Order: sequence, then structure tokens, then C-alpha cells
Amino acid sequence: KAGVTQTPRYLIKTRGQQVTLSCSPISGHRSVSWYQQTPGQGLQFLFEYFSETQRNKGNFPGRFSGRQFSNSRSEMNVSTLELGDSALYLCASSFLGNAEAFFGQGTRLTVV
Amino acid sequence: DQQVKQNSPSLSVQEGRISILNCDYTNSMFDYFLWYKKYPAEGPTFLISISSIKDKNEDGRFTVFLNKSAKHLSLHIVPSQPGDSAVYFCAATAWGNNRLAFGKGNQVVVIP
Repeated sequence: KAGVTQTPRYLIKTRGQQVTLSCSPISGHRSVSWYQQTPGQGLQFLFEYFSETQRNKGNFPGRFSGRQFSNSRSEMNVSTLELGDSALYLCASSFLGNAEAFFGQGTRLTVV
Repeated sequence: DQQVKQNSPSLSVQEGRISILNCDYTNSMFDYFLWYKKYPAEGPTFLISISSIKDKNEDGRFTVFLNKSAKHLSLHIVPSQPGDSAVYFCAATAWGNNRLAFGKGNQVVVIP
């Protein structure tokens, strides 16, 4: 069974640009969550999607958005990038109501 | 507002000895707790969980203890092995919720 796949693995962007990250969940998992990991803040919840609908949202500015497609694949977008957005972005998939999530390897975003 | 706290960011332990990681939480709504292990350049991997209806859960070398009145849980690894060297994250949620609140992690180094 294939794991959670995130693309790209690494990304370098310039301040002010926008970026889109992609996540393919484990087959059968319809809940997809996104987390931001930084050295200072640890793992912070961004949002969760289920059946193409956002179920939960963390405390991040509106520049961070996401969506989910009918095949459960998800994308997250960050607009007007800031230096502080440099982080590891992790996607996790699970069955709805099951907290035991499976994580992808993450996308390392560097904003310069 | 850090709802899940892991103190003592790093721990060194001799191979074969016990590793004890501690975690405190503040949100009374949390009733399901998880531990994840993370190697560099990989996403977190689910290790073990415990529901608030239990005070102990064991899986092989890993045991998690929960003290609800103190809002405290701990992970015991016995015996510690070099392959256990990783960052360990404590996470908490409300049952049925896929949104996880993470601690900042503990770096464990097992010395052969």
C-alpha cells in the first residue's frame, strides 16, 4: 500500500511569490490534514479536509489556503510569501474520526 | 498558546536502559493522546496511543502512561536501542477529531 506522497520535496521561492504544494493520501483515506513545522513552533495544524470540504482550520492568516479534490488528493497554497513561511509542510491522511494519521515526508519550503 | 508541552528537549540514554519522555497538556477537552517518532528528512510515524478511559497502554518495548488528573502522560521505551534515536512528538486531540495538537518534540539519542 503506497504511503502519503507529497510533491515537491524541496522548493525555493522569493518573497512575494505564491506556492502550491500537493499531497496524495493513502488509498481509502479521505481525511487530509496539513501541518507546518518550524524549529521555534514545532508542528502547527493548518487545516483539514474531508470530502472536498474544510472541516477544521488552524490559526494561520488567510494567505494559507487549501482544497481537496474528489479523489481525496489535496493541495495547499501560500500567497504573498514571507521569510517566516520557510518551514517543512507536512500532509497527513487518515480515516475520518481516526486520529492516527499517516504523514508524508513533507515539502521543505525556503523563502528567500 | 502551546496546549501540549514537552520539556527537556533532548535526552541521551545508554543502549539497553530505559528512556522516559514526558508530556503535559492544558486543554481539558483532550481525551486521546498519541506519540509519533520522526527521523530526519522523514515525516512523523505513529508509535502508540492512549485513550482517556485507560491509564496505560503497552506495545512491545513502548508503554504510554496517562495521568488525567495531572494532565500528564509519559512514554517509556524499554530497552532503548540505537534505532530509537529520533525526535519524539506528543500529540493530543478530542476523540473523533482529526486535528492534532503537538508538543515541540524531544530529541532522543541512544548511545551504543
